[in-house]
Amino acid sequence: DAGVTQSPTHLIKTRGQQVTLRCSPKSGHDTVSWYQQALGQGPQFIFQYYEEEERQRGNFPDRFSGHQFPNYSSELNVNALLLGDSALYLCASSLSTNLGGTDTQYFGPGTRLTVL
Amino acid sequence: ILNVEQSPQSLHVQEGDSTNFTCSFPSSNFYALHWYRWETAKSPEALFVMTLNGDEKKKGRISATLNTKEGYSYLYIKGSQPEDSATYLCAFIGSNYKLTFGKGTLLTVNP
Repeated sequence: DAGVTQSPTHLIKTRGQQVTLRCSPKSGHDTVSWYQQALGQGPQFIFQYYEEEERQRGNFPDRFSGHQFPNYSSELNVNALLLGDSALYLCASSLSTNLGGTDTQYFGPGTRLTVL
Repeated sequence: ILNVEQSPQSLHVQEGDSTNFTCSFPSSNFYALHWYRWETAKSPEALFVMTLNGDEKKKGRISATLNTKEGYSYLYIKGSQPEDSATYLCAFIGSNYKLTFGKGTLLTVNP
């Protein structure tokens, strides 16, 4: 049983560019959450997708957007990249039993984004 | 802005030592607390999901307690082994159902 997979592993972009990160959830999971981990910080919640809709959103600007597909995989898009967007982006999947607070999340290995 | 604090930031122990660390969180609007273990070059791994005041959970040599009234959780590791070396993260979930992570405690167990 494949766990959560993310692609690409590493990515280098320049300021102003756009980037798309991808996540495939663990088999049987229907919910995908995205997190940003900057150096020296804990992961910060970006948003969560369930049934192809954004269910929750953290304090991130509109430059961060996402999508969930019918097969539950998800994309994170970041427009107009800033140097401060350099971080590890983690995807986590879960099987939604309620609004998500007690669902165990399974994390992928992350995508390391560097913005030059 | 929610404050989820973890202490210590890092610690080094010898193999066989028992250790514990703390996660502090807002005592109001509590919904759940998650603990994760994150080994270098791997994905974060869920350890516990805790919801009730006084909860105590155990997984092998690792256990956790929860005090929602005073806003803290302790994670204990009994007889630390080198393979326990990792960053331990806690995540608070309030009534808005969003996870707020602490910065983690980096544990190094020396053989």
